Amino acid sequence: DAKTTQPNSMESNEEEPVHLPCNHSTISGTDYIHWYRQLPSQGPEYVIHGLTSNVNNRMASLAIAEDRKSSTLILHRATLRDAAVYYCILNNQGGKLIFGQGTELSVKP
Amino acid sequence: SQTIHQWPATLVQPVGSPLSLECTVEGTSNPNLYWYRQAAGRGLQLLFYSVGIGQISSEVPQNLSASRPQDWQFILSSKKLLLSDSGFYLCAWSKGSGANVLTFGAGSRLTVL
Repeated sequence: DAKTTQPNSMESNEEEPVHLPCNHSTISGTDYIHWYRQLPSQGPEYVIHGLTSNVNNRMASLAIAEDRKSSTLILHRATLRDAAVYYCILNNQGGKLIFGQGTELSVKP
Repeated sequence: SQTIHQWPATLVQPVGSPLSLECTVEGTSNPNLYWYRQAAGRGLQLLFYSVGIGQISSEVPQNLSASRPQDWQFILSSKKLLLSDSGFYLCAWSKGSGANVLTFGAGSRLTVL
């Protein structure tokens, strides 16, 4: 199974950019890179996804390395509400979607 | 638009009792359906996934089972709960095609005493 590796935790200051890294060296050509985040006692929510090109949406940006073996989720201006666990997963439509431990982001005022 | 419902939201059950958690999805046909469990701490463990009615794949050997009696319905069951079954159970759906984005339910918090 394709696997992702993320740092256990990261800290940020409010209103500063945050770069959350993810390594996925065993990615296959058909795997999409997905990011989700989970607030305490809630289900994870979708943040962004990409295949090969960098992507932007209202929540974040996703920068994908040229060899696709790593990616970075970028929060342009962290707010206190962005404090959550962020998960990077590989999604190949095959049904078996494996989550790792994610990165716990704390945001300091 | 599509919606996912999961219930009950919280459940306290004695060891050895049965379990039934239900998940339904509205507004889409033939979704992929998933059950995940989150124990204390982080990380979501994939328990079961289904790509169609009656098609269930089990990822972790345990005393839990899943069924999909209707296209839009996914049920997680146990005949006899163990203390280790306590956790936060999450149902999710995806289209099974394209980017296959997951949408999660609100979760069911199970405490086994």
